[in-house]
Amino acid sequence: QKEVEQDPGPLSVPEGAIVSLNCTYSNSAFQYFMWYRQYSRKGPELLMYTYSSGNKEDGRFTAQVDKSSKYISLFIRDSQPSDSATYLCAIRGVDDKIIFGKGTRLHILP
Amino acid sequence: EPEVTQTPSHQVTQMGQEVILRCVPISNHLYFYWYRQILGQKVEFLVSFYNNEISEKSEIFDDQFSVERPDGSNFTLKIRSTKLEDSAMYFCASRELYEQYFGPGTRLTVT
Repeated sequence: QKEVEQDPGPLSVPEGAIVSLNCTYSNSAFQYFMWYRQYSRKGPELLMYTYSSGNKEDGRFTAQVDKSSKYISLFIRDSQPSDSATYLCAIRGVDDKIIFGKGTRLHILP
Repeated sequence: EPEVTQTPSHQVTQMGQEVILRCVPISNHLYFYWYRQILGQKVEFLVSFYNNEISEKSEIFDDQFSVERPDGSNFTLKIRSTKLEDSAMYFCASRELYEQYFGPGTRLTVT
């Protein structure tokens, strides 16, 4: 079983829609959960960071973690064409390495 | 806003040659990392570095790879004898507390 599973997409939604991106993970020892955004041929850009179950909101972005189900989500409200990118979920345990999902390619259609 | 920088942005080298990829982490950060991303694949951890020594490395980080912090600002990744399969984007990252911040990457092409 892979450590982090993420649907690669692509996911296409109309501008203004709510976007839901999801990942599952296998190891309950993972403690820190992140979402990165990556534009083509650029480095990952940290969007959200959380370490507890529940919701964390930052502007149009909400990260949700359900440790009992080993399920993490990112919601984007009022999506914009500039949100078109690849979204990477990432997790970390007590060691120092981040394990990334494969990324979901998101297209926001104007 | 402070950011991680990397040079060069693109490096082309011949198989068997040595390459050094350079990174300048964010100035007050103490933990440094290298990751790589082969085209179309996921970002993979290579190595973490703290207090002038490697703290963690993956199975990818074999004897061909080494890291160094030669001065107070630079952090380098050396590949001693490059192979075709080393072609990838290489990302440097750094952190102060919990969040890792990534640089823009160096695209390494081995021919």
